[in-house]
Amino acid sequence: DGGITQSPKYLFRKEGQNVTLSCEQNLNHDAMYWYRQDPGQGLRLIYYSQIVNDFQKGDIAEGYSVSREKKESFPLTVTSAQKNPTAFYLCASSMEREAADTQYFGPGTRLTVL
Amino acid sequence: GDSVTQMEGPVTLSEEAFLTINCTYTATGYPSLFWYVQYPGEGLQLLLKATKADDKGSNKGFEATYRKETTSFHLEKGSVQVSDSAVYFCALSEGTGGFKTIFGAGTRLFVKA
Repeated sequence: DGGITQSPKYLFRKEGQNVTLSCEQNLNHDAMYWYRQDPGQGLRLIYYSQIVNDFQKGDIAEGYSVSREKKESFPLTVTSAQKNPTAFYLCASSMEREAADTQYFGPGTRLTVL
Repeated sequence: GDSVTQMEGPVTLSEEAFLTINCTYTATGYPSLFWYVQYPGEGLQLLLKATKADDKGSNKGFEATYRKETTSFHLEKGSVQVSDSAVYFCALSEGTGGFKTIFGAGTRLFVKA
């Protein structure tokens, strides 16, 4: 079954700790994305990657870091520099051959800072 | 810059009612337009899309027509079901050399039995 997996589903972090969210896809997609979703708001782009070993900042990259060492994997680290990290985090992927390409989303990780 | 505006929710309807969720956009070129749906506790999934003016996207009884003259992509369904309760996101994508998808704020739909 092809798709995107994110783990864990729920994550709790103490203030001052870094935490890494996992995202894996077996769709053979070139592009991968990380979004943040807050209640009542749309999705905001954190980082995206169009190819292995390359990634670009999105609209709200401060306090986050990513890596893209493998095509299938795009982990997101929420650092202690992120002032308000409690949110729902969504990973997505697409072929990114043209603007009409659909984005496929994982089930999300809900991060809560205690 | 590009933007997407959709009607605020929540929208509450009775089963079998007609649904319209308005969406308008601002873009410099000729974007592709999408509706995504998010069921409780899940990620988004594509509902339908349209890639050029006057195209109609349709899926599961939902429809939306790409109206360039009014820069709109309103979502409609003739008869909603309880299982349609979800958050609906309008989105656009355009550009070359790296496509960014712009999402609206989402509209929550509640359907009562």
